[in-house]
Amino acid sequence: DAKTTQPTSMDCAEGRAANLPCNHSTISGNEYVYWYRQIHSQGPQYIIHGLKNNETNEMASLIITEDRKSSTLILPHATLRDTAVYYCIVRPNSGGYQKVTFGTGTKLQVIP
Amino acid sequence: DVKVTQSSRYLVKRTGEKVFLECVQDMDHENMFWYRQDPGLGLRLIYFSYDVKMKEKGDIPEGYSVSREKKERFSLILESASTNQTSMYLCASSSLLTGGYGYTFGSGTRLTVV
Repeated sequence: DAKTTQPTSMDCAEGRAANLPCNHSTISGNEYVYWYRQIHSQGPQYIIHGLKNNETNEMASLIITEDRKSSTLILPHATLRDTAVYYCIVRPNSGGYQKVTFGTGTKLQVIP
Repeated sequence: DVKVTQSSRYLVKRTGEKVFLECVQDMDHENMFWYRQDPGLGLRLIYFSYDVKMKEKGDIPEGYSVSREKKERFSLILESASTNQTSMYLCASSSLLTGGYGYTFGSGTRLTVV
């Protein structure tokens, strides 16, 4: 599995966009970028994933660079409930068994 | 609503006890995983299983074993609990055929070994 690198922590003002970066320079051609978040004392929850095109859903947007070596998760209007640890991982979308290692993620603090 | 259910939210056990952590998923997923989470160390993979009766070691399998007798159930076993196994344990599952939304996690079991 490709390794990912994320900043340890970030702050964001409430109502502003939160941009969380992730480096995955060794990503393989068949690996997708997934983002999860973990709110305190709960299990991680899926947010969004993508291969090479930018993706948007009701929670967030995902911007993947053209060389696919990095990506950015964007929370367009951060709220206090978005305070959480955000994990970026890469994995194949299907086929074979999937061992994935989560790192330490980015702790996002949304400030009132 | 599809989900992964862990049998206990909080558990306190004594050193040397045999401990069973149970996880059940209702999504017919092939893959199941056990992670532990400690402050500053993130999520670390203990064991995973990609089929009934199949298991693979993760990054930190020492002191643990697993059992998967049925597709929907994946058990983590601490043969002789020790204080350094005090942690949050998270179970997850994923589909072999449709990676789709990736992993679905349970709510976690916070185990304290005294």
